[in-house]
Amino acid sequence: GIQVEQSPPDLILQEGANSTLRCNFSDSVNNLQWFHQNPWGQLINLFYIPSGTKQNGRLSATTVATERYSLLYISSSQTTDSGVYFCAVGFNQAGTALIFGKGTTLSVSS
Amino acid sequence: DTGVSQDPRHKITKRGQNVTFRCDPISEHNRLYWYRQTLGQGPEFLTYFQNEAQLEKSRLLSDRFSAERPKGSFSTLEIQRTEQGDSAMYLCASSQWPPYRGYWGSPLHFGNGTRLTVT
Repeated sequence: GIQVEQSPPDLILQEGANSTLRCNFSDSVNNLQWFHQNPWGQLINLFYIPSGTKQNGRLSATTVATERYSLLYISSSQTTDSGVYFCAVGFNQAGTALIFGKGTTLSVSS
Repeated sequence: DTGVSQDPRHKITKRGQNVTFRCDPISEHNRLYWYRQTLGQGPEFLTYFQNEAQLEKSRLLSDRFSAERPKGSFSTLEIQRTEQGDSAMYLCASSQWPPYRGYWGSPLHFGNGTRLTVT
């Protein structure tokens, strides 16, 4: 099956810093999504981005499907950005379940 | 849009007992997924439905696990003869299928989960 690797596993930042999270996947995908799991366990969908670049406020994501990686950029980080960021991928013309990576744990301190 | 709703939020049970969880998806979503998450890991896929049809089951889903979505709306996940290894967060998610034209998938929306502790 598809393997998903996220890096770094842990990231500690001061408020205001920028960061880049990476997701590598082992096979072709046509579905890639980024999620944020807050400290209370709620999983929030950030981006559906199988290819190209999208931006939403201080967050942006880029997926280069041909090179099998995706990047999540967080600019001017805030304490509320803390939590775990997951990349999830899938491939199936009829649609199938997403496979999640192990996540990057981000801690932002004030 | 009230989001994905799961009940109960927490469940503590003794080994060997049966437990049942409920998930109500976003009303206009016809796909419903069950995932399991243990500490320090990403969610692991268990099974999913499109309307009332169960289309895929993971090898993780042992015979003690059964899921239903009888009317294509809410879903239940039952675990029989619970074991301590079943302790985890059980997450439900929903999405719309088919996706928007030109896309191969739709954003997945998760509920708050049911945390199961087996003693």
